[in-house]
Amino acid sequence: AQSVTQLGSHVSVSEGALVLLRCNYSSSVPPYLFWYVQYPNQGLQLLLKYTTGATLVKGINGFEAEFKKSETSFHLTKPSAHMSDAAEYFCAVSDRVGGGFKTIFGAGTRLFVKA
Amino acid sequence: GAGVSQSPRYKVAKRGQDVALRCDPISGHVSLFWYQQALGQGPEFLTYFQNEAQLDKSGLPSDRFFAERPEGSVSTLKIQRTQQEDSAVYLCASSQSGGGTDTQYFGPGTRLTVL
Repeated sequence: AQSVTQLGSHVSVSEGALVLLRCNYSSSVPPYLFWYVQYPNQGLQLLLKYTTGATLVKGINGFEAEFKKSETSFHLTKPSAHMSDAAEYFCAVSDRVGGGFKTIFGAGTRLFVKA
Repeated sequence: GAGVSQSPRYKVAKRGQDVALRCDPISGHVSLFWYQQALGQGPEFLTYFQNEAQLDKSGLPSDRFFAERPEGSVSTLKIQRTQQEDSAVYLCASSQSGGGTDTQYFGPGTRLTVL
């Protein structure tokens, strides 16, 4: 079965600093990987996803993630943090279930951005 | 509608009461998922529908939990004889086809508090 581990339940950065949120996965087959963001009182929103092909994936709001098979990682980065990036971020992997797929989520990392 | 909607947004129940949570997916989306998100955790898979067929319910915590999607659109998650450990946010998501690379679109969730 697939699983996801997010290192660090809380990350704090200064506005303008690099954002790095870590994610490692466990999968017996080539994985489909996702990053979702959850703003307060809002539903989860897809930031980006890796399926096949280019291992560096660009998403919305300036975020990107790199799939590294050798490290079983899919870390999320953004060169310069903005106050509006403060939210909860979830790494996820697809897992086969009953003729379709379900999403397995990590525990989440809350990003704080300091002025 | 433009997105996934859920109702009610907040529900307070006394222990032992039955509750029903509703999800309206994006029109035309074949797949519908229910997740449970405990405080400080990532969403946990409960069950999955493709049209009206419930293809997997392996994540339902007990036989007190029941989900249906009789006409392949709106879905209801019912919890009988609620317990305090059922307190969580219940998320609904829909996707066009349910494939592993499909983006899931999430509703805002229903926050259930069992007293």
